[in-house]
Amino acid sequence: ETGVTQSPTHLIKTRGQQVTLRCSSQSGHNTVSWYQQALGQGPQFIFQYYREEENGRGNFPPRFSGLQFPNYSSELNVNALELDDSALYLCASSLGGGINTGELFFGEGSRLTVL
Amino acid sequence: RKEVEQDPGPFNVPEGATVAFNCTYSNSASQSFFWYRQDCRKEPKLLMSVYSSGNEDGRFTAQLNRASQYISLLIRDSKLSDSATYLCAVNGIRRALTFGSGTRLQVQP
Repeated sequence: ETGVTQSPTHLIKTRGQQVTLRCSSQSGHNTVSWYQQALGQGPQFIFQYYREEENGRGNFPPRFSGLQFPNYSSELNVNALELDDSALYLCASSLGGGINTGELFFGEGSRLTVL
Repeated sequence: RKEVEQDPGPFNVPEGATVAFNCTYSNSASQSFFWYRQDCRKEPKLLMSVYSSGNEDGRFTAQLNRASQYISLLIRDSKLSDSATYLCAVNGIRRALTFGSGTRLQVQP
């Protein structure tokens, strides 16, 4: 196992609601990235946090936001949920902080269903 | 054009066959390349990094062609347990690894 833990593993929400997903990174890893994986697609980069600051973002609207805490754990928040937000949300930890050139260690993901 | 493109497959091959996947990338400045394996409804796991000189790990061989901007993965002597989706990943323009959509491999007895 990677040592990256995510919670909750599954959840169901309705349109317009808000959700918070949590991730504990592997011991010693200072960088956390969040990815969205829709069915049949590859993971899509949402954003990355390094030393508690966002240092990279993909093509996701502002209603996707995040935090990183001093212990390097992280949260992903999604406001005003839409049906298309239904996906597997993957957290990945790594070392480096800068341009991510290293291996990503993924958690098992949080599967979100929006009804 | 997508940053990273893969043939979605599926590739259906018999046990013992050799199969190869390609993955093209658009950012010529990319420096890091990886192949990840993802089993159904599981998280991606690193299979191997791809080095400029090419590299081999048992039955798996990865190659990089910078001139044509693609990476490849060759699997020899396919096993049933190789059935999975294979994702290529390239360090992209937004401080992150950019993944392809994956190529599904089904090895049949």
